[in-house]
Amino acid sequence: AQSVAQPEDQVNVAEGNPLTVKCTYSVSGNPYLFWYVQYPNRGLQFLLKYITGDNLVKGSYGFEAEFNKSQTSFHLKKPSALVSDSALYFCAVRVDGGATNKLIFGTGTLLAVQP
Amino acid sequence: KAGVTQTPRYLIKTRGQQVTLSCSPISGHRSVSWYQQTPGQGLQFLFEYFSETQRNKGNFPGRFSGRQFSNSRSEMNVSTLELGDSALYLCASTLTSGGFYEQYFGPGTRLTVT
Repeated sequence: AQSVAQPEDQVNVAEGNPLTVKCTYSVSGNPYLFWYVQYPNRGLQFLLKYITGDNLVKGSYGFEAEFNKSQTSFHLKKPSALVSDSALYFCAVRVDGGATNKLIFGTGTLLAVQP
Repeated sequence: KAGVTQTPRYLIKTRGQQVTLSCSPISGHRSVSWYQQTPGQGLQFLFEYFSETQRNKGNFPGRFSGRQFSNSRSEMNVSTLELGDSALYLCASTLTSGGFYEQYFGPGTRLTVT
């Protein structure tokens, strides 16, 4: 079965420090991987995606993610955290095979950046 | 270009009533997917429509239904509302063309069932 795991419910980091939000996946075939961010009472905002090509993907607001096929991981990173980065982050994978755009989401990781 | 729009943004209904939510995708996007987000279950896939046809459906009861119009706008309907249907309903608009792929979400409709 296809699945996405975000092992940390919450990540705490001081402003200015680097941050990592972890994501691992399990799919058959080649994955399309996504990171979305959600602010309180808002929808999901697209950050970045990996479909093919370079394993290091750069996205919005200084975020990047590295696709690691051997470890089936797609961790989200940022070199220097801002207080405004505090939000709920979701990793998602597109189900492979067939004509569908269905996404399977992780449970989300709450990022708290302290000033 | 305009993003995904969802109406209404907030809705309060009584148990037993029915509700219709609307989603207008980004221009040129022909696929619309719906998700339910709750604190307990997280983000769960409801269904996907492409060119007015449902091509995938999640594990939800038949009270949840949807449709897509020729202009790609989509509606979802929930009949006989239950308290547990209270959730944020998100719509996603997708474009795939050759090797190009983009998927964006709308702001959601917050449904409260009392």
